[in-house]
Amino acid sequence: AQSVTQPDIHITVSEGASLELRCNYSYGATPYLFWYVQSPGQGLQLLLKYFSGDTLVQGIKGFEAEFKRSQSSFNLRKPSVHWSDAAEYFCAVGAQAAGNKLTFGGGTRVLVKP
Amino acid sequence: DAGVTQSPTHLIKTRGQHVTLRCSPISGHKSVSWYQQVLGQGPQFIFQYYEKEERGRGNFPDRFSARQFPNYSSELNVNALLLGDSALYLCASSLFSIQETQYFGPGTRLLVL
Repeated sequence: AQSVTQPDIHITVSEGASLELRCNYSYGATPYLFWYVQSPGQGLQLLLKYFSGDTLVQGIKGFEAEFKRSQSSFNLRKPSVHWSDAAEYFCAVGAQAAGNKLTFGGGTRVLVKP
Repeated sequence: DAGVTQSPTHLIKTRGQHVTLRCSPISGHKSVSWYQQVLGQGPQFIFQYYEKEERGRGNFPDRFSARQFPNYSSELNVNALLLGDSALYLCASSLFSIQETQYFGPGTRLLVL
């Protein structure tokens, strides 16, 4: 069975500082990996996804993520955080054999200090 | 193009009642998936429908059911509501493959009293 762990429930970062959100997954085969962002009162928006190929993936809003098979990780990074990045971030894993089912982690809430 | 729409936006029910939630996918998308997001947790997969057939089911009791209509819109039905069914219910639309981006609607917030 697939599972996703986001070890950090909350992260506080100063505006302009760098941000890294951790994600560890458990899945037997090569997973499909996703990062979504959810702002208050809104649905989920896809930031980036990884299926194969280059392990460093670029997404929207200046985010990137790196797939590390040896560590079963898919950490999300942004070099310089803006106040508008305050939101909840979810890592998710999918699999070809599971249709469109996504298994989400518990999320990391990001607070941005001025 | 309009995004994924869901109705109603908010709903209050009492225990034992029935509820129907609706979702209209993005034009051209034939797959609709439903997720339950309890406060403070990540979304949990409930169902996927494609071409009006159930293609996936999560670990939810039989009180939860869904269907997809010829225009690809979908309904999620929950019978005999429990307090624990209080959550944000999200609908996602996409083309069939997992490699295609799933677009989420704003959700329906259900409160069961």
